[in-house]
Amino acid sequence: EPEVTQTPSHQVTQMGQEVILRCVPISNHLYFYWYRQILGQKVEFLVSFYNNEISEKSEIFDDQFSVERPDGSNFTLKIRSTKLEDSAMYFCASGPGVISPGNQPQHFGDGTRLSIL
Amino acid sequence: AQSVTQPDIHITVSEGASLELRCNYSYGATPYLFWYVQSPGQGLQLLLKYFSGDTLVQGIKGFEAEFKRSQSSFNLRKPSVHWSDAAEYFCAVGARGRNNDMRFGAGTRLTVKP
Repeated sequence: EPEVTQTPSHQVTQMGQEVILRCVPISNHLYFYWYRQILGQKVEFLVSFYNNEISEKSEIFDDQFSVERPDGSNFTLKIRSTKLEDSAMYFCASGPGVISPGNQPQHFGDGTRLSIL
Repeated sequence: AQSVTQPDIHITVSEGASLELRCNYSYGATPYLFWYVQSPGQGLQLLLKYFSGDTLVQGIKGFEAEFKRSQSSFNLRKPSVHWSDAAEYFCAVGARGRNNDMRFGAGTRLTVKP
């Protein structure tokens, strides 16, 4: 069964540095997402991406965040100047889009654990 | 926007006992509903989903959930819990009509006693 893959599995970065989290969505999927889960807390929606642009974003997704699909297969999340509170597990997900008769669930990657020192 | 409440933060059951995890949602129309399970340090695994039709849905690992529109609930059940079911369980709701921004509940941590 096709999977969403994320790299690296664990990233440790100094505060203030830029970090890029990488995801390879399922190949025929059209919608891409990033979620965040701070340790011990719930999974929070960050952003969704469709047709090479952001379709929706949450209040968490401020100017320090950006997403990109640079080459048609990867989907990246960049955090420009990391803060301590950015430490979390970041999940990438992809979905096939709206398919009649109904929607299909998103497929999640195993996550990247980001630790900011 | 849609939202989800999982009233129970932590539940402990004995192995072999039945289980029910509660989930209440808020959404203006019939939502898409999901249950995910997460083992420590792992990703999210889809247990089951409801889109339409039969309100009792069967999932993997012997789990089932029932959509009750009148109660805005989608509770997860299992008749006999196994020690390997110990994990964090998340209920999620998706907006109908577009494949966007799922909202997750805060999760319920399940502990299984021998």
